[in-house]
Amino acid sequence: RKEVEQDPGPFNVPEGATVAFNCTYSNSASQSFFWYRQDCRKEPKLLMSVYSSGNEDGRFTAQLNRASQYISLLIRDSKLSDSATYLCVVNMGGGGADGLTFGKGTHLIIQP
Amino acid sequence: DVKVTQSSRYLVKRTGEKVFLECVQDMDHENMFWYRQDPGLGLRLIYFSYDVKMKEKGDIPEGYSVSREKKERFSLILESASTNQTSMYLCASSLWAGATGELFFGEGSRLTVL
Repeated sequence: RKEVEQDPGPFNVPEGATVAFNCTYSNSASQSFFWYRQDCRKEPKLLMSVYSSGNEDGRFTAQLNRASQYISLLIRDSKLSDSATYLCVVNMGGGGADGLTFGKGTHLIIQP
Repeated sequence: DVKVTQSSRYLVKRTGEKVFLECVQDMDHENMFWYRQDPGLGLRLIYFSYDVKMKEKGDIPEGYSVSREKKERFSLILESASTNQTSMYLCASSLWAGATGELFFGEGSRLTVL
């Protein structure tokens, strides 16, 4: 069974803190990995892709650990506007978008 | 900017009614998808299409059908709505959502079936 697992949270974090959460996936042959962000009552939007070497975009860093089959997202200097649900997305299929499996999301609340 | 537009944000229908959910994208994307999103279950793929008049079943196609007569338009049809189809429906498109692609979602259609 293809699964992507995330801690649903909520993670309550003070503004300015660093927060990290992981996502595990079941298929070792998975080929591509993404983090999407979904604001309350809004549609998901791509936050960043996750590359084998890891990648950073401003305050956000994504890492991939193939041996342990998880990806991580780290947010530094968190802002109130970072409050959202973060969806882990893994392509466990043949490479087409029909192979994308979404995690149920991690809910993050940044508190002033 | 890519724009994916879903025709109805909120719908209330009765059990047994036929329901059409329309989705239009303006970026000439090849691929279009219909998902539903439910609390505790996440996003699940209903149907997808890689080309005009082409459709493929996703993970939960039962009770749904789709139509793609034009490249920019992908419709989801509930032939006879049931209460367990109450959900948020999300349409998405992509140029190619494989290893490096991106899905662009519409704002969603929240359907309530009474």
